[in-house]
Amino acid sequence: AQSVTQPDIHITVSEGASLELRCNYSYGATPYLFWYVQSPGQGLQLLLKYFSGDTLVQGIKGFEAEFKRSQSSFNLRKPSVHWSDAAEYFCAVGMFSGGYNKLIFGAGTRLAVHP
Amino acid sequence: GAGVSQTPSNKVTEKGKYVELRCDPISGHTALYWYRQSLGQGPEFLIYFQGTGAADDSGLPNDRFFAVRPEGSVSTLKIQRTERGDSAVYLCASSSGENTEAFFGQGTRLTVV
Repeated sequence: AQSVTQPDIHITVSEGASLELRCNYSYGATPYLFWYVQSPGQGLQLLLKYFSGDTLVQGIKGFEAEFKRSQSSFNLRKPSVHWSDAAEYFCAVGMFSGGYNKLIFGAGTRLAVHP
Repeated sequence: GAGVSQTPSNKVTEKGKYVELRCDPISGHTALYWYRQSLGQGPEFLIYFQGTGAADDSGLPNDRFFAVRPEGSVSTLKIQRTERGDSAVYLCASSSGENTEAFFGQGTRLTVV
């Protein structure tokens, strides 16, 4: 069955430090992969997505993610974290079948940023 | 509207009551999705509409849950005989077509007391 695992429930980093959020997926075919961010009281906002091509994907707000097929991973990175990045981050795999996109989400990683 | 709009933003209801949650997708988006997010969890797929028809309702947990989209735009998620376990944030998303980004609304927080 398709699944997404985010091993870190909660991560704390200092402002200006680098960040890596882990994501592993289980999917039989070539995956479509996404990272979303959810701030308190806000909806989910798409940070970046991978469909095909270059395995290093650039997104909004200075985030990037790298698809590694051999490791079934799609880790999210940012070289320098800002206090405004504190939020919950969700990795998702998209099951495109029959012309639509069903997203399977991980449980999320909550990011706290120390000043 | 500019984004996906969900109403109400919060709903408190008593166990056993009936509730309706509304979703206004982005204008022109033919695909509409409902997800449910329980506390401390990621969103879980409930149902997908293409136009007026429910193309995939495999995520609806039981027959107390039902959703409609009669004119291919606004959708309503209906929950009968609510239970405390139905308490969650219900998220709606829409997209313009296949392989396109889904835009999410801010959700309706349902609390069953």
